[in-house]
Amino acid sequence: NAGVTQTPKFRILKIGQSMTLQCTQDMNHNYMYWYRQDPGMGLKLIYYSVGAGITDKGEVPNGYNVSRSTTEDFPLRLELAAPSQTSVYFCASRTSGQSYEQYFGPGTRLTVT
Amino acid sequence: AQSVAQPEDQVNVAEGNPLTVKCTYSVSGNPYLFWYVQYPNRGLQFLLKYITGDNLVKGSYGFEAEFNKSQTSFHLKKPSALVSDSALYFCAVRDGASNTGKLIFGQGTTLQVKP
Repeated sequence: NAGVTQTPKFRILKIGQSMTLQCTQDMNHNYMYWYRQDPGMGLKLIYYSVGAGITDKGEVPNGYNVSRSTTEDFPLRLELAAPSQTSVYFCASRTSGQSYEQYFGPGTRLTVT
Repeated sequence: AQSVAQPEDQVNVAEGNPLTVKCTYSVSGNPYLFWYVQYPNRGLQFLLKYITGDNLVKGSYGFEAEFNKSQTSFHLKKPSALVSDSALYFCAVRDGASNTGKLIFGQGTTLQVKP
């Protein structure tokens, strides 16, 4: 199992550009999550999905969009990138049931200049 | 509101000494608590969790955590620290207000173990 994979690892965007951060998991997990990590701030939830075709906003959704057309993939779209979106982005997934621990990808470091 | 607090930005210990990384929580209902570790330029790795049962939970790499309901704490411990334990540690609690399994994370504590 590769677990949770994310691409790209690094990206530099100019203000106003758009991009998609890719996330794929091969564990057949129903639940998937996108977080951003800023220094000293912990992780903030951007969007989450409880299954294919179902997504919902987290704590900090503004400036982002997601889709979940398959169980495996949960891409995060940034439209009109802004410097405030400079961050490290993590995708995570978990199985259904009551265990609740999430498994994280290696992250994407994004800089918007 | 549900929250997690890690009162120390950094903890410094000497190799071979015991270590404690503190975490307190505020949550409605029964707490589901987690510890994660993040090594530089890596994703978060699950260490251990408390859902129910014994208050002392054992996890990966020799770590354990003690759940204390009266003090609403879930401190991470290790009897003998290694230099390789140096990393960023996050405490998290399940968001009890929803059934989606969302986790609420503390701000993280950097553990520095010196030889």
